[in-house]
Amino acid sequence: AQSVAQPEDQVNVAEGNPLTVKCTYSVSGNPYLFWYVQYPNRGLQFLLKYITGDNLVKGSYGFEAEFNKSQTSFHLKKPSALVSDSALYFCAVRPYTGGFKTIFGAGTRLFVKA
Amino acid sequence: NAGVTQTPKFRVLKTGQSMTLLCAQDMNHEYMYWYRQDPGMGLRLIHYSVGEGTTAKGEVPDGYNVSRLKKQNFLLGLESAAPSQTSVYFCASSYPGTGDAFFGQGTRLTVV
Repeated sequence: AQSVAQPEDQVNVAEGNPLTVKCTYSVSGNPYLFWYVQYPNRGLQFLLKYITGDNLVKGSYGFEAEFNKSQTSFHLKKPSALVSDSALYFCAVRPYTGGFKTIFGAGTRLFVKA
Repeated sequence: NAGVTQTPKFRVLKTGQSMTLLCAQDMNHEYMYWYRQDPGMGLRLIHYSVGEGTTAKGEVPDGYNVSRLKKQNFLLGLESAAPSQTSVYFCASSYPGTGDAFFGQGTRLTVV
């Protein structure tokens, strides 16, 4: 079965420190990979995506993600966290042959302490 | 730019009542989706549409129906609401293929 795992329910980091939010997936073929962020009482906002090419993808608000095909991972990273980064982060996978269907992880809550 | 707009934002229903959630997008996207978000479960796809006049079932379609009579609108209907349908519902739209999805602000539905 195709799935996306975000192994941490919550990640705590101090402001100014680097952050990593983990994501692994189990999907046949070469999928498209996405990260979304959700602020309280808001819909999801697109951060970045990996389609093909360079394994390091840069996105909005200083976030980047590293695709690792052998480990089937797509971890979200930021060199220096801000308090305003505190939110719920979702990893998502769209199978290459799946057309429309996007599979979401359960989400990881990021808390950045001042 | 409105993007994706959902109506209503909040609703409380009694068990057995019916209602329709409206989603409108102004980006000329071909694809539209309805998801439900439940704690610890991420987003699950209820129904989707790849174009005007076409709809299809997602992961959790039971108890819901949809219609897409116009390209910009995607309606989600609950014919007979159940407490298990208490959730936050999100509509999204995208271009086909690698297009990232744009989400509405969500509808918080409580069925009592």
